[in-house]
Amino acid sequence: GAVVSQHPSWVICKSGTSVKIECRSLDFQATTMFWYRQFPKQSLMLMATSNEGSKATYEQGVEKDKFLINHASLTLSTLTVTSAHPEDSSFYICSASSGQSSEQYFGPGTRLTVT
Amino acid sequence: QQQVKQSPQSLIVQKGGISIINCAYENTAFDYFPWYQQFPGKGPALLIAIRPDVSEKKEGRFTISFNKSAKQFSLHIMDSQPGDSATYFCAASTGTGNQFYFGTGTSLTVIP
Repeated sequence: GAVVSQHPSWVICKSGTSVKIECRSLDFQATTMFWYRQFPKQSLMLMATSNEGSKATYEQGVEKDKFLINHASLTLSTLTVTSAHPEDSSFYICSASSGQSSEQYFGPGTRLTVT
Repeated sequence: QQQVKQSPQSLIVQKGGISIINCAYENTAFDYFPWYQQFPGKGPALLIAIRPDVSEKKEGRFTISFNKSAKQFSLHIMDSQPGDSATYFCAASTGTGNQFYFGTGTSLTVIP
């Protein structure tokens, strides 16, 4: 079945630095990738949608200059949190869609802690 | 505005019992309704999904019941087991490649 990986699974960074999270579709081509943020005991909050080769579409309230999303190939999307602050600490999850069905395949998530 | 409303927020069920989680939506353009299971520190995993042209879908111990006229759908977990203890999310979308609208989640605890 469709597999999506994320790297790293857990990262700690200092306030003011940037961190990059990778999302890869391992056995299918992902025409659309989604990035979510999840706080403890809360639902998934969609941050942005990206289509391969196009600029990402950000949800209202998400700072596009802070959360840089790149979807350069059909198997890789990256989320870069720039000038991270402690309030950016969260669980970030990506998902991917092949465009062949309505299904989204979720990655295992990345735990970001900003100190 | 919450596009998909989910209840209850938490649920405690005895082992062997039936767990029922409900979701409701307003947008009649939704045509795909998946349920996800999420364990702490992990990404959501698809359990089962349904389209509005059927009223029920069963896969093993998991059943989705769908009521198009009431704009409601529910997840039934039969013979609930302690290993089913997790958070469950319903979702809805309008088509291929489109975003999912998630419910707020239900924390299920199955006690032995």
